[in-house]
Amino acid sequence: EPEVTQTPSHQVTQMGQEVILRCVPISNHLYFYWYRQILGQKVEFLVSFYNNEISEKSEIFDDQFSVERPDGSNFTLKIRSTKLEDSAMYFCASSASWEGETQYFGPGTRLLVL
Amino acid sequence: AQSVTQLGSHVSVSEGALVLLRCNYSSSVPPYLFWYVQYPNQGLQLLLKYTSAATLVKGINGFEAEFKKSETSFHLTKPSAHMSDAAEYFCAVSDAGAQKLVFGQGTRLTINP
Repeated sequence: EPEVTQTPSHQVTQMGQEVILRCVPISNHLYFYWYRQILGQKVEFLVSFYNNEISEKSEIFDDQFSVERPDGSNFTLKIRSTKLEDSAMYFCASSASWEGETQYFGPGTRLLVL
Repeated sequence: AQSVTQLGSHVSVSEGALVLLRCNYSSSVPPYLFWYVQYPNQGLQLLLKYTSAATLVKGINGFEAEFKKSETSFHLTKPSAHMSDAAEYFCAVSDAGAQKLVFGQGTRLTINP
């Protein structure tokens, strides 16, 4: 069964460093998403991406964040200058369509900012 | 703004007992509703979803949920708990015309032998 994959599974970085989290969505999906879950808190939407542009973003997704689909398979989330409060589990998801469509989630990348 | 409330961050039941996990949403317009499950060290897996068809939705692993508009609820049930059901369960909602999912805080289900 097709699945969303994410790399790395864990990443530790120093405050102020740039990190890139990678995702490979399901191959025939057109909509891509990033969510995050700070330890002990809710899963929060960050951004959705369709047709090579951001289609929706939350207030969390500020100028420190960016997303890209550099090729036909990868979908990345970049955090330019990490802060302590960026420590969280980051989930990538994809869907074939959007309204009411099932979003399929990857296993997540646990990011720890020291 | 849309919000989701899951009553009970931890629920513990005995093996073979009824599982009931509660979810209430805030939308005045019937949204799309989802239950996801997360097993340790895994991603979120869809259990079931409501998209304005039948109000009683059946999902995987014997779970089902009933959409009740009058109560703005979408509670998840399973008649007989199994040890393998131990996991974290998330209720989520998306509005018509929206892409993002809004999640509840999750309920950790523990099954006692």
